[in-house]
Amino acid sequence: NAGVTQTPKFQVLKTGQSMTLQCAQDMNHEYMSWYRQDPGMGLRLIHYSVGAGITDQGEVPNGYNVSRSTTEDFPLRLLSAAPSQTSVYFCASRNTGTATDTQYFGPGTRLTVL
Amino acid sequence: ILNVEQSPQSLHVQEGDSTNFTCSFPSSNFYALHWYRWETAKSPEALFVMTLNGDEKKKGRISATLNTKEGYSYLYIKGSQPEDSATYLCAPSRGSTLGRLYFGRGTQLTVWP
Repeated sequence: NAGVTQTPKFQVLKTGQSMTLQCAQDMNHEYMSWYRQDPGMGLRLIHYSVGAGITDQGEVPNGYNVSRSTTEDFPLRLLSAAPSQTSVYFCASRNTGTATDTQYFGPGTRLTVL
Repeated sequence: ILNVEQSPQSLHVQEGDSTNFTCSFPSSNFYALHWYRWETAKSPEALFVMTLNGDEKKKGRISATLNTKEGYSYLYIKGSQPEDSATYLCAPSRGSTLGRLYFGRGTQLTVWP
């Protein structure tokens, strides 16, 4: 099992550009989520999904879009990149939405917006 | 938003020292607590998931306890080694929020040889 994979590892964007961060898991997990990590802050939830076709907003959803058309994939779209979106982005998955399940993280994508 | 406090923010110890840190969270509507170990340039790695008041979990030299009534958890490392150097995150969950985890800012541990 590859676990949770993310691409790209690094990305530099100009303000106003759009892009998609890819996330995939091969563990047949229902629950997937996106976090951002900024210096001095804890991991903050952007969006999450409890299954294919179901998504919801987390703590900091503005400027991001998600969809979940398959169990395996949960891409995160930046609609019009802003310098405030410079961050490290982590995708995570766990078996179900129940918080007693172990959550597994991907390796992260480091994004810089100029 | 859930107020999760981790202390201390950072800790420097010598190899062989035992250490512990604290995670504090609101006790109302508690559901579960996760502990993660996060090494620099890697992704967070799950250590424990704890649910019951009085729960104790152990993994090698690392152990954790949970007090849901007063809203805290302790993580202990016995005989710290340089490879234990990492940031340790806790993340409680409330029963009312569909399994969402609320991450603290972490305790950064450095173990000097």
